[in-house]
Amino acid sequence: EAGVTQSPTHLIKTRGQQATLRCSPISGHTSVYWYQQALGLGLQFLLWYDEGEERNRGNFPPRFSGRQFPNYSSELNVNALELEDSALYLCASSLGTGPYEQYFGPGTRLTVT
Amino acid sequence: AQSVTQLGSHVSVSEGALVLLRCNYSSSVPPYLFWYVQYPNQGLQLLLKYTSAATLVKGINGFEAEFKKSETSFHLTKPSAHMSDAAEYFCAVSGAGRRALTFGSGTRLQVQP
Repeated sequence: EAGVTQSPTHLIKTRGQQATLRCSPISGHTSVYWYQQALGLGLQFLLWYDEGEERNRGNFPPRFSGRQFPNYSSELNVNALELEDSALYLCASSLGTGPYEQYFGPGTRLTVT
Repeated sequence: AQSVTQLGSHVSVSEGALVLLRCNYSSSVPPYLFWYVQYPNQGLQLLLKYTSAATLVKGINGFEAEFKKSETSFHLTKPSAHMSDAAEYFCAVSGAGRRALTFGSGTRLQVQP
């Protein structure tokens, strides 16, 4: 069974640009979660999508947004990039029923210069 | 509100010695608890989960954890450390209605030959 996949592996952007990160969940999983792992800040929840809808978001500004497609894949968009957005962005997926253990992809390393 | 505290940002053990990584949680609802492992430059791998069934939970790679409600703890143990166990370990909590994971700050395990 294929795991969660993310693309690209690495992404280098300039401050002020936009970044788009993509995630494909495990087959049969309807929920997708995005987390940011920044140096010194730990793992922080960004967004949760389920059945195409945004269900919850963490304490991040609106320039962090995303969507979930009918095939349950998801993309995360970060607008007006700032230097502190440099981080590993992890996508996870889970079934739509409890206990909702999440399975993570390898991450996208975003570097903002 | 939910939170997780991992005592000890770095733990060093000798190969063959007992591994004990500490995790205390705070949750206003019955929690789901998880341990994840992260190897360098990789995503997170689920080690084990507590979902209100058995209080002693066995996971992959010989790890286990015991849920102690009276102590609000969910410590991770392994009887005999192996060099390949060297990694960062994260304890996480979620609860009914809040499926986003709240992570502890992580414990880096070093295994000495």
